[in-house]
Amino acid sequence: GNSVTQMEGPVTLSEEAFLTINCTYTATGYPSLFWYVQYPGEGLQLLLKATKADDKGSNKGFEATYRKETTSFHLEKGSVQVSDSAVYFCALRRGQGAQKLVFGQGTRLTINP
Amino acid sequence: EAGVVQSPRYKIIEKKQPVAFWCNPISGHNTLYWYRQNLGQGPELLIRYENEEAVDDSQLPKDRFSAERLKGVDSTLKIQPAELGDSAVYLCASSFSAQITDTQYFGPGTRLTVL
Repeated sequence: GNSVTQMEGPVTLSEEAFLTINCTYTATGYPSLFWYVQYPGEGLQLLLKATKADDKGSNKGFEATYRKETTSFHLEKGSVQVSDSAVYFCALRRGQGAQKLVFGQGTRLTINP
Repeated sequence: EAGVVQSPRYKIIEKKQPVAFWCNPISGHNTLYWYRQNLGQGPELLIRYENEEAVDDSQLPKDRFSAERLKGVDSTLKIQPAELGDSAVYLCASSFSAQITDTQYFGPGTRLTVL
């Protein structure tokens, strides 16, 4: 079946540090890949997405590249801010009638000033 | 533009009691989803509506859960009777259509605690 595995958390970094949150997936066919973010007290928000191999999604300084050969979609940011503290979810979605998002377990990120 | 609205935000009930959650999707969005998020886990789909039709309810525990989307707009998810294991956050999401290119927008969720 389809599944997403994320890096174990929680992750704690200092402001301006480099961030990587690992995400690997298992899926039949060619899924679209997503990163969602959940800030405290708020709903899930789409952060970025990639719909085919070698696509790079980017938003708010975050980037992730769809790597088909390694079935990965790692999230990166060059210099994190305190305001990036949140829970990050990697997810996949297949076409061909499988419309639901399949999420990883989430990674809690805390950025200290 | 208003986002997905859910109510209540928090609910505490005794086991065996009924409970209902309400969702108002973004205006014009035809597809509506209910997800359940257990503590420390990612959301899992319970049911998907396209307009007023439930087109994917394979993960909905039908012995105690029910859902409806009258007139293809608002939706209600009900649990009767609630069990301790139902404690979770219930998320509603909507999208313009079920096309894979259409973004799903999530509401803030209802946190249910069953005592």
